[in-house]
Amino acid sequence: ETGVTQSPTHLIKTRGQQVTLRCSSQSGHNTVSWYQQALGQGPQFIFQYYREEENGRGNFPPRFSGLQFPNYSSELNVNALELDDSALYLCASSLGGGAFAGELFFGEGSRLTVL
Amino acid sequence: GQNIDQPTEMTATEGAIVQINCTYQTSGFNGLFWYQQHAGEAPTFLSYNVLDGLEEKGRFSSFLSRSKGYSYLLLKELQMKDSASYLCAVKDSGNTPLVFGKGTRLSVIA
Repeated sequence: ETGVTQSPTHLIKTRGQQVTLRCSSQSGHNTVSWYQQALGQGPQFIFQYYREEENGRGNFPPRFSGLQFPNYSSELNVNALELDDSALYLCASSLGGGAFAGELFFGEGSRLTVL
Repeated sequence: GQNIDQPTEMTATEGAIVQINCTYQTSGFNGLFWYQQHAGEAPTFLSYNVLDGLEEKGRFSSFLSRSKGYSYLLLKELQMKDSASYLCAVKDSGNTPLVFGKGTRLSVIA
């Protein structure tokens, strides 16, 4: 167990709605990365937060946004949901570097289904 | 950009040895990682290679050849609990995030 917790674990939304996913990082970790994993695919990098600032972003549209709080927990927000947004959303924490360093500690993920 | 290729599925017998290959193309290179992901669970770190050669960790070993853009994960004495997806991930040089392949789904049968 990595100590990274995500909520909710499962949720169902309809097209056009908005969703907020939450992540509590492992104690002592100041960097949070978010990944999207579609069924049968590897995780795709969405963005990363370090000390409350976004410091890297993958090839995702602006309707994917996030926040990191002073306690290093994080949120992922997705607006105007589309069917293709259905996926497992993984949060990973690390101490510095994060997705840019390599060794990531993942949470169990939030499985989003968009109908 | 980066291109990471690994087989989609493999099947092996309990007690046997299996090798999962990964080839990659990157403009730079700063390490190759293997992660294990059981169905419905989070990926967990298995190994890291940045220099050529073999890294051994118990029943698992990982090999890297930078000149060939090639790595493999070797699992020995397979157990049923080794049934999982195995993700190859590459770190390019510079300020770039870890990029994952699509994963190899390994089924261990009796």
